[in-house]
Amino acid sequence: AQTVTQSQPEMSVQEAETVTLSCTYDTSESDYYLFWYKQPPSRQMILVIRQEAYKQQNATENRFSVNFQKAAKSFSLKISDSQLGDAAMYFCAYRSAYKYGGSQGNLIFGKGTKLSVKP
Amino acid sequence: DGGITQSPKYLFRKEGQNVTLSCEQNLNHDAMYWYRQDPGQGLRLIYYSQIVNDFQKGDIAEGYSVSREKKESFPLTVTSAQKNPTAFYLCASSSVASGGYEQYFGPGTRLTVT
Repeated sequence: AQTVTQSQPEMSVQEAETVTLSCTYDTSESDYYLFWYKQPPSRQMILVIRQEAYKQQNATENRFSVNFQKAAKSFSLKISDSQLGDAAMYFCAYRSAYKYGGSQGNLIFGKGTKLSVKP
Repeated sequence: DGGITQSPKYLFRKEGQNVTLSCEQNLNHDAMYWYRQDPGQGLRLIYYSQIVNDFQKGDIAEGYSVSREKKESFPLTVTSAQKNPTAFYLCASSSVASGGYEQYFGPGTRLTVT
């Protein structure tokens, strides 16, 4: 079974600086998807970024980018120019690329990293 | 606006009572999911449904039940058999036809049982 590990329960960053959140996963599959979700104090889960395992290029979304190391099974999230609104829980998630049927299409979440942003 | 709604936002019940949490989506998504979130934990899957009139147990289905009579709706009942029902519950949906790779979440319901 696949597992997702976020080894940093809490992180802190100064406003306008850069922070990297770590995520590792374990799988025997070669095709899958990885996601970072943000959960602010409102508790609404928001998709931040996604990465397809077959793509070598790292995904970017404005100030958010990932460092995807497939061989190392590592998927870190970098937040540049941190803003106060970035303060939230961040969850890393894995999904098999299997398209239909069964539980393979379900997301597997890490336990999250709580990010604080200092003004 | 398309989205997922969950109601109510806060729910209080006495121990021994069943309670039903609502989840509605107007995204025309085929698949819907229920998750439970506890402090210090990630999201744990309770039930999921990929098509109307069909649903499957997730990792922690004991003490919960669901129905999927309409594509738009996937209510979750927390029964008196659930030993520790106080938690934050999140509903999500995804489009199977387009790959269903991303799940979109509702705002959640905080259930407190005393």
